[in-house]
Amino acid sequence: NAGVMQNPRHLVRRRGQEARLRCSPMKGHSHVYWYRQLPEEGLKFMVYLQKENIIDESGMPKERFSAEFPKEGPSILRIQQVVRGDSAAYFCASSPRKTADTEAFFGQGTRLTVV
Amino acid sequence: AQSVTQLDSQVPVFEEAPVELRCNYSSSVSVYLFWYVQYPNQGLQLLLKYLSGSTLVESINGFEAEFNKSQTSFHLRKPSVHISDTAEYFCAVNLGSSNTGKLIFGQGTTLQVKP
Repeated sequence: NAGVMQNPRHLVRRRGQEARLRCSPMKGHSHVYWYRQLPEEGLKFMVYLQKENIIDESGMPKERFSAEFPKEGPSILRIQQVVRGDSAAYFCASSPRKTADTEAFFGQGTRLTVV
Repeated sequence: AQSVTQLDSQVPVFEEAPVELRCNYSSSVSVYLFWYVQYPNQGLQLLLKYLSGSTLVESINGFEAEFNKSQTSFHLRKPSVHISDTAEYFCAVNLGSSNTGKLIFGQGTTLQVKP
């Protein structure tokens, strides 16, 4: 059973371009969480999705950021018109259940650099 | 607002010495508590967790943490560290009332084990 797979591992974008980050959860996991880790900071929650539904997007910036988790395929975090401040590590985590006591399994992250 | 504070950003220690990484949280509701470890350029791995029951929890590699409700703390300890323990350690809480896997992370503590 492969772990949570994120790709690409490293992504370089110029200001104004779009960034697409992919996350394939562990087999059997239908709950996906995205976190952002800015330099020298801890991880900050962005969004929680179940298959085809956004459950909690309270941590998502209001503009330029969107996320989806289609019925088939990986979850996608999309950042439009990237700016230097978007440079960070983006981590995806998946879990088999929704409940608060369920362990979340993390991917290795995508490190986005905006130049 | 709920928050997690890791009091030390960096902890240098010599090999085979004991170490304590401190974590305090603020919440008026019951919480679940986690420690995650992040090795360089990797994702987060769960080290140990407190859900209920015994307030002392242990990991398979010699770490332990004690939940202290009155002090709202969940400090991580190891009696004798190894070079391979060098990593970043994150304390995280899950608000049980949220009924989701959403985590609130501390800022992280870098443990540097010196020979």
